[in-house]
Amino acid sequence: GENVEQHPSTLSVQEGDSAVIKCTYSDSASNYFPWYKQELGKRPQLIIDIRSNVGEKKDQRIAVTLNKTAKHFSLHITETQPEDSAVYFCAASRDNQGGKLIFGQGTELSVKP
Amino acid sequence: NAGVTQTPKFQVLKTGQSMTLQCAQDMNHNSMYWYRQDPGMGLRLIYYSASEGTTDKGEVPNGYNVSRLNKREFSLRLESAAPSQTSVYFCASSEAPGTYEQYFGPGTRLTVT
Repeated sequence: GENVEQHPSTLSVQEGDSAVIKCTYSDSASNYFPWYKQELGKRPQLIIDIRSNVGEKKDQRIAVTLNKTAKHFSLHITETQPEDSAVYFCAASRDNQGGKLIFGQGTELSVKP
Repeated sequence: NAGVTQTPKFQVLKTGQSMTLQCAQDMNHNSMYWYRQDPGMGLRLIYYSASEGTTDKGEVPNGYNVSRLNKREFSLRLESAAPSQTSVYFCASSEAPGTYEQYFGPGTRLTVT
């Protein structure tokens, strides 16, 4: 069945460094790839998403890249700040599936001041 | 707007008891979803409702039933709770089925003893 693998499961960086989280997906028909941030005890919230007709998307310090051939996509956070500390989830879905999202296992990012 | 709301916030059940988790959204969204979140496993889709009047199974539907009561409300029922259903349950909604942002509720933490 459909599967999304996410790595690493934990990531610790110094404030100001960059952080990269990678995901691979199995369903070649997937065409929508959102990233969610979940702070401790809170609900997941969308931070950025990308569709399969785009190779890269940026929003201030956050960027996502997509390689359809290799079926992987990555989240890049530059100039990390302590408030970036959270669990990040990637996900994948495709049209005609009612919006069904398949999530990765999550990455716990810790930004040390 | 309250967004997506869930009740209760916490619940403890004994094995074999039943309960219904309630979810409502005030964003006039067509699609609604139920996920469970377990440590190290990300978010897994239980059931979803692409539009009012329809429901479909997700990745882990066994032991659960759902009702799309109207456009606003989507409930999740555990008929005979088991310890394996101890989890945090999130409801979400999106404007339409397909590749749209999903907005999550605050979650219900359920413990089955």
